[in-house]
Amino acid sequence: DIHMTQSPSTLSASVGDRVIITCRASQTISNWLAWYQQKPGKAPKLLIYEASSLESGVPSRFSGSGSGTEFTLTISGLQPDDFATYYCQQYNTYPSFGPGTKVDI
Amino acid sequence: QITLKESGPTLVEPAQTLTLTCTFSGFSLTTSGVGVGWIRQSPGRAPEWLVFIYWDDDKRYSPSLKNRLTIIKDTSKNQVVLIMTNMEPVDTGTYYCAHRRKYSNNWDAGFLDYWGQGAPVTVSS
Repeated sequence: DIHMTQSPSTLSASVGDRVIITCRASQTISNWLAWYQQKPGKAPKLLIYEASSLESGVPSRFSGSGSGTEFTLTISGLQPDDFATYYCQQYNTYPSFGPGTKVDI
Repeated sequence: QITLKESGPTLVEPAQTLTLTCTFSGFSLTTSGVGVGWIRQSPGRAPEWLVFIYWDDDKRYSPSLKNRLTIIKDTSKNQVVLIMTNMEPVDTGTYYCAHRRKYSNNWDAGFLDYWGQGAPVTVSS
């Protein structure tokens, strides 16, 4: 099994801030990594796949980078709609998710 | 556009069997490469992948749960059914079905681009 970790677990930020979330895999996963945004009571929403490919319709302030075992999600210019929990998910093998990073005010 | 919706009981007694149905539109599970997955999420926890089923009836189960899971597709109804046996209180959570994006032939793996709204399930007597 591939174990995913994320840091920080909680992040306090303000509108307009640049936010960086880190995700690490317990073994190399090449670039087989996705990022999701989840709001309370809602399903996760795909933001990024293949570590850095922006899903259609997702604002360009979201970007992803990394390969191997270390990855980042960057939100450049945090907007009110971005306060949510963010999960990474590896798909090098059986899918597994990170524990999440909650971005709050 | 692609939509999915889960349906089933909201309350299940311990040791009983859970049966959930995913009804989808906007794609066909007869098209080569297409897959549907089930993912669950316990309150306050990260999502947990359970299973994929593919257009050719190939099925890939989470190793930790495969003894309790069965997945079936009904292409005439555009439905996928998840069956989980021997339910316990720790299985309480929201169960999602989702469309797996076609991207490679690694059928063990995948990411989900369209999700249902989720079906809340509580396991309690």
